Amino acid sequence: AQSVTQPDIHITVSEGASLELRCNYSYGATPYLFWYVQSPGQGLQLLLKYFSGDTLVQGIKGFEAEFKRSQSSFNLRKPSVHWSDAAEYFCAVGVGYNQGGKLIFGQGTELSVKP
Amino acid sequence: NAGVTQTPKFQVLKTGQSMTLQCAQDMNHNSMYWYRQDPGMGLRLIYYSASEGTTDKGEVPNGYNVSRLNKREFSLRLESAAPSQTSVYFCASSEATSYLKYFGPGTRLTVL
Repeated sequence: AQSVTQPDIHITVSEGASLELRCNYSYGATPYLFWYVQSPGQGLQLLLKYFSGDTLVQGIKGFEAEFKRSQSSFNLRKPSVHWSDAAEYFCAVGVGYNQGGKLIFGQGTELSVKP
Repeated sequence: NAGVTQTPKFQVLKTGQSMTLQCAQDMNHNSMYWYRQDPGMGLRLIYYSASEGTTDKGEVPNGYNVSRLNKREFSLRLESAAPSQTSVYFCASSEATSYLKYFGPGTRLTVL
């Protein structure tokens, strides 16, 4: 079955510390992978995407993610977290281009940042 | 350029009441979508409209209807609201049927 798992529901990091948010997917074909961020009271904003090519992708706001096919993972990283990064982060996989561009989302990881 | 806008931002309904959630986009996108977001479940697709004049069911369409009024507007209607429909509803749009979607700010709906 197609699915996305984000094992960490809530993570707290100190400002300036590094961050890694985990994402594992289950999908039989080559995946199209995404990370979205949702700030409080806001809609989802695309951070980065992986379609093909270089497995390390750069996104906005200093985020990057690495696609590892052997581990079915697409973890999100940032070297130094800022207080404004506190938000909820969603990993998603595209599974149905002919079904309205169907995305399956993970459960989300809420990030808190300590001063 | 407002992107994707949704009204209302918040709504409280009683069981059995009806209401329509409005969505509009000003990016000249062909495709529009309605999702619901529930704690611990990510976002799930309710309905989508690949182009003006067409609508299709997503993962969780029961209890909802949609109307693609024109290229800009896509509304979601709850005919007889149920507590299970308490959720945050997001509208999104894309240039064509695409994985790259632009989301609105959401409508937080509570059904008592």
